[in-house]
Amino acid sequence: NAGVMQNPRHLVRRRGQEARLRCSPMKGHSHVYWYRQLPEEGLKFMVYLQKENIIDESGMPKERFSAEFPKEGPSILRIQQVVRGDSAAYFCASSPMTSGVSYEQYFGPGTRLTVT
Amino acid sequence: EDKVVQSPLSLVVHEGDTVTLNCSYEVTNFRSLLWYKQEKKAPTFLFMLTSSGIEKKSGRLSSILDKKELFSILNITATQTGDSAIYLCAVSTGYSTLTFGKGTMLLVSP
Repeated sequence: NAGVMQNPRHLVRRRGQEARLRCSPMKGHSHVYWYRQLPEEGLKFMVYLQKENIIDESGMPKERFSAEFPKEGPSILRIQQVVRGDSAAYFCASSPMTSGVSYEQYFGPGTRLTVT
Repeated sequence: EDKVVQSPLSLVVHEGDTVTLNCSYEVTNFRSLLWYKQEKKAPTFLFMLTSSGIEKKSGRLSSILDKKELFSILNITATQTGDSAIYLCAVSTGYSTLTFGKGTMLLVSP
């Protein structure tokens, strides 16, 4: 049973370019969460998605960031016009249906984004 | 604003020592508290705690939650060099999104 998959593992972008980060949840998991980890900081929640729905995007910056989880295919975190401050490790996590019950989240290996 | 505070921020011990890591929280709509171990990659799930006073145990690791005093501890007995990592505490709230502490960096020296 494959775990959470993320690609690419490392991504280098120049200022002003777009970054696309992909996440495939664990088999049987329908909930996806994106977190960002800045140097010297803890993991910060960004967005929570189910298939074709954004449930909670309270942690997403208002501009340049967007996320989707289509019916088919991986979840995508998109950062437009990247700036140096976007350099961080971006982690995706997945969990099975919650239905009012708390489930643990399993994390992918992360994508380390470097903006030059 | 939800807050999770871990202490100490870093810790150096010798192999064989026992360590206790602390996590306190102030959140609305608490669902559960989770511990993760992070080496140079993905945080690895250790424990999820939802009820006060019930110890969860896995090998040399154990954890307990106090919902009245709003804290949890993670104990590691007979530490080994392979236990060196950052230990993350997170609280699940609302839609089950996680609020993380900054972590405790543990270094076990041989």
